[in-house]
Amino acid sequence: AQTVTQSQPEMSVQEAETVTLSCTYDTSESDYYLFWYKQPPSRQMILVIRQEAYKQQNATENRFSVNFQKAAKSFSLKISDSQLGDAAMYFCAYAGSGGGADGLTFGKGTHLIIQP
Amino acid sequence: ETGVTQTPRHLVMGMTNKKSLKCEQHLGHNAMYWYKQSAKKPLELMFVYNFKEQTENNSVPSRFSPECPNSSHLFLHLHTLQPEDSALYLCASSRFSGGTQETQYFGPGTRLLVL
Repeated sequence: AQTVTQSQPEMSVQEAETVTLSCTYDTSESDYYLFWYKQPPSRQMILVIRQEAYKQQNATENRFSVNFQKAAKSFSLKISDSQLGDAAMYFCAYAGSGGGADGLTFGKGTHLIIQP
Repeated sequence: ETGVTQTPRHLVMGMTNKKSLKCEQHLGHNAMYWYKQSAKKPLELMFVYNFKEQTENNSVPSRFSPECPNSSHLFLHLHTLQPEDSALYLCASSRFSGGTQETQYFGPGTRLLVL
């Protein structure tokens, strides 16, 4: 079974600074997908960024980028120029390549605090 | 944020009650999911439906009964629940492609309290 580990229950960063959230996973599959989701307080979970394991290039979305290390099974999220609206729970998630509609395996989440 | 809606947003029920959670997606997707989010635990996948057919039941107790009458609607019927079933229940949907894991879009959740 796949597992996802987020070792940082809480992180704090000054506004406009850069922060990196860690995620490691365990799988025996060679093809899979990784995601970072954001869940603001009392609001819906939304996708931040996704990475296909077969792609060597790290995904980027504006201020958000990942450092995908397949051999190390590591998938960290870097947030540049942190903004107050970035405050949320961040979840790392894994999906296998079983056919296109697999459930996600989530980590426990990292609570990100933005200090003004 | 209106792509996936869930009702009710909050629900309090006794252990002998029967209630249902509703999820509706307006994205034209054909895969839908139920997840349970408990405090201090990772989100847990409960059920997966593809084209109205259940494709995964993640060892969920029978007091949770899903129903998917069409690709846009998903229900979770609840009966004789336990206090430890109190949690945020999240619905999600995705476009089933057959070869690529599509992004899942989540609803706002139903906050359930079982007394």
